[in-house]
Amino acid sequence: QLQLQESGPGLVKPSETLSLTCTVSGGSISSSSYYWGWIRQPPGKGLEWIGNIYYSGSTYYNPSLKSRVTISVDTSKNQFSLKLSSVTAADTAVYYCARRIYCSSTSCYWPYDYWGQGTLVTVSS
Amino acid sequence: DIQLTQSPSFLSASVGDRVTITCRASQGISSFLAWYQQKPGKAPKLLIYAASTLQSGVPSRFSGSGSGTEFTLTISSLQPEDFATYYCQQLNSYPRTFGQGTKLEIK
Repeated sequence: QLQLQESGPGLVKPSETLSLTCTVSGGSISSSSYYWGWIRQPPGKGLEWIGNIYYSGSTYYNPSLKSRVTISVDTSKNQFSLKLSSVTAADTAVYYCARRIYCSSTSCYWPYDYWGQGTLVTVSS
Repeated sequence: DIQLTQSPSFLSASVGDRVTITCRASQGISSFLAWYQQKPGKAPKLLIYAASTLQSGVPSRFSGSGSGTEFTLTISSLQPEDFATYYCQQLNSYPRTFGQGTKLEIK
């Protein structure tokens, strides 16, 4: 059974960099069949897609965050990571990692089918 | 970006009711739409993809329909465990946007 688990600091100071890691178990992150993504949810609000990475390292980012976001993959550890720089209180959210099936075109039927439990990151001094 | 607008934002219903949630896209997205269910403190759970395909293990009382710009999620007979928030997501283009959510509450 595939499992994803987010980890990282729960409190980050304004203007600093938020760093989270998603550890994948029960499956290989090196599979050519999947994308690995990050989604966030501010307290009491809706879902916001942050970006995806493929095992090869190719990425897609949300343009609203693109200047501050880096998603990377470490196949040796079966992990992928999120870095969000210059954070403000508006970045306070539950951050989820998730998997979706790879497709070669932009338009794709496959949504996120496996999710981590989420981790709350609070931006505060 | 493609905007998804769900209606209603809040819905009050009783066990056994049939309910329908609508998701409208700001431009045509063919059938590249998914529906998720989220309960408090939990990650979203995939219900439907490709607008109308039921994810494995999801009860058959859930169904989806639509294409282009208008989509619906229907629960044929509400069960106590169905009271949650529901989100649509488009997979037609980047960024992969979500609707604002529909909170389904017990009447």
